[in-house]
Amino acid sequence: GAVVSQHPSWVICKSGTSVKIECRSLDFQATTMFWYRQFPKQSLMLMATSNEGSKATYEQGVEKDKFLINHASLTLSTLTVTSAHPEDSSFYICSATNPRVTLETQYFGPGTRLLVL
Amino acid sequence: GDSVTQMEGPVTLSEEAFLTINCTYTATGYPSLFWYVQYPGEGLQLLLKATKADDKGSNKGFEATYRKETTSFHLEKGSVQVSDSAVYFCALTASNDYKLSFGAGTTVTVRA
Repeated sequence: GAVVSQHPSWVICKSGTSVKIECRSLDFQATTMFWYRQFPKQSLMLMATSNEGSKATYEQGVEKDKFLINHASLTLSTLTVTSAHPEDSSFYICSATNPRVTLETQYFGPGTRLLVL
Repeated sequence: GDSVTQMEGPVTLSEEAFLTINCTYTATGYPSLFWYVQYPGEGLQLLLKATKADDKGSNKGFEATYRKETTSFHLEKGSVQVSDSAVYFCALTASNDYKLSFGAGTTVTVRA
């Protein structure tokens, strides 16, 4: 149980285009999902907290108009990188909490590697 | 703010060696502490956790004890295997919004 998937796992796009990344909880309903960014050989940096049915809460320094987050259902959150540029190339990871178990433990997706040319 | 400092790697060991990865934290209140593991090509997985002082988390032969007096949560395993090669992250959550603060990660390579 507590499986989180991400799609796509890999995406290459041209500069200026927008990219959507999906995060799904497969066997539980997730009221809260988190989006992280991980640079090579570095730790995870929290970008935003996504709650179903409400606006995402962004961490300081994260542009909300650049990284659009939608959490339209209890099993799906999406991150859209708008007008992507090479500096947006990174590994994006989502996680979800299962309120039926505990809100403290996050279950992570396998990540999406974005390369902007 | 809350933060986690963990031992820098990379760490290279032989099979059956003893592994320890140091982790210390700074937090207001009473945090819950976690170790997550990221195997090559996979997402992070919860390895173990402890929610209060003196608790010991354990899983797959790994152990870590929540030490409030030294603000530490060191990870240990008595006899590592090649399959333990991964990146290990120490993390904490100390707020009602359950945000995780991660350490920098320690890359462990176990040689046969």
